[in-house]
Amino acid sequence: KQEVTQIPAALSVPEGENLVLNCSFTDSAIYNLQWFRQDPGKGLTSLLLIQSSQREQTSGRLNASLDKSSGRSTLYIAASQPGDSATYLCAVRGAQKLVFGQGTRLTINP
Amino acid sequence: EAGVAQSPRYKIIEKRQSVAFWCNPISGHATLYWYQQILGQGPKLLIQFQNNGVVDDSQLPKDRFSAERLKGVDSTLKIQPAKLEDSAVYLCASSLSSGLTGELFFGEGSRLTVL
Repeated sequence: KQEVTQIPAALSVPEGENLVLNCSFTDSAIYNLQWFRQDPGKGLTSLLLIQSSQREQTSGRLNASLDKSSGRSTLYIAASQPGDSATYLCAVRGAQKLVFGQGTRLTINP
Repeated sequence: EAGVAQSPRYKIIEKRQSVAFWCNPISGHATLYWYQQILGQGPKLLIQFQNNGVVDDSQLPKDRFSAERLKGVDSTLKIQPAKLEDSAVYLCASSLSSGLTGELFFGEGSRLTVL
């Protein structure tokens, strides 16, 4: 059974810092991994989708990497801004359903 | 392009009452999902449709939850009777691809409070 873990559960950093969010999964037989952002009281916004054959994806200040063999993905946020404050979730697609981590609640302090 | 639409956004009911949520996926998306997200947790899949057929409903509490997707477009999720532990956000998502590589797009969610 696939298990997805995100550590830390919460992170607070000053504005302007570069930061890394972590996602680990137990079963490396995956099709893809997707990072989402969730603002309070809102749905999930897709940030990046990495297929199993890819190593990384980039969108603006965001870069996501995937290492299937070690069961890890990272989301790198460059030059953080207060507007980046949200909960970030990773989700792993295996042979069955999409399995989510519990998320990392990120706060960027002005 | 319009996103995934859900209604109502908020609903408060008493336990043992019934409630229904509606979802309209992105146009042309064949795959539709309903997720339950309890506060502080990641979403959990309740049911997945491919067009109007059920692909996976293994985690749907079938004694009280039901879902349908008539005509392969809109979908409704019903809870009857509701329990206190059903308090959660119900998220609808859709995907263009019917395979396992497609990107999911989520709606804003329907927040249910059961008193």
